[in-house]
Amino acid sequence: GESVGLHLPTLSVQEGDNSIINCAYSNSASDYFIWYKQESGKGPQFIIDIRSNMDKRQGQRVTVLLNKTVKHLSLQIAATQPGDSAVYFCAERLTSGTYKYIFGTGTRLKVLA
Amino acid sequence: EADIYQTPRYLVIGTGKKITLECSQTMGHDKMYWYQQDPGMELHLIHYSYGVNSTEKGDLSSESTVSRIRTEHFPLTLESARPSHTSQYLCASSDGTSGAHGLTQYFGPGTRLLVL
Repeated sequence: GESVGLHLPTLSVQEGDNSIINCAYSNSASDYFIWYKQESGKGPQFIIDIRSNMDKRQGQRVTVLLNKTVKHLSLQIAATQPGDSAVYFCAERLTSGTYKYIFGTGTRLKVLA
Repeated sequence: EADIYQTPRYLVIGTGKKITLECSQTMGHDKMYWYQQDPGMELHLIHYSYGVNSTEKGDLSSESTVSRIRTEHFPLTLESARPSHTSQYLCASSDGTSGAHGLTQYFGPGTRLLVL
């Protein structure tokens, strides 16, 4: 079946360093992608999104890169802070016209002081 | 900050009890969703609704049912709770329009359910 997966289940980074969280998706027809942050005991929180007609989008301290050739999505966090410690999920919308999304397993980001 | 609410936040209940998990949003979103999530695992869609009186089963088989009588309200009901229902249940909504973030799903805080 279709799937969204993450290469690294746990990522540890030093405070102040940049973090890169990766995601592979399998459906070339997916047209919209979202990154979520989920802290313990809370629901997923929207971070940034990107449509398939773009290859890069920047937010505040975050950048999402989309490589449709290899079906790869990444989230870059600049100057990682302790408050960035959480589980990060990517989600894809399979095709235009649907409102259903597939979520990956998630990557836990640990920020070391 | 999304205006989507879930109650209760935590629930411990005995096997065989009927429970209803509440979800409300004040954003006027047409699309609403229920996901089940085990700790540290991916989200699995169990129900969704594209509008009032519209409900569909999701990708993960579930013994729960939902209703959508009002736009802002999307409750989930388990007629007879079992230990296998122990999980976190997340409600989400989206606008579904083509505008900025219209496709984004906004999540509530979740309900952690423990069935003894």
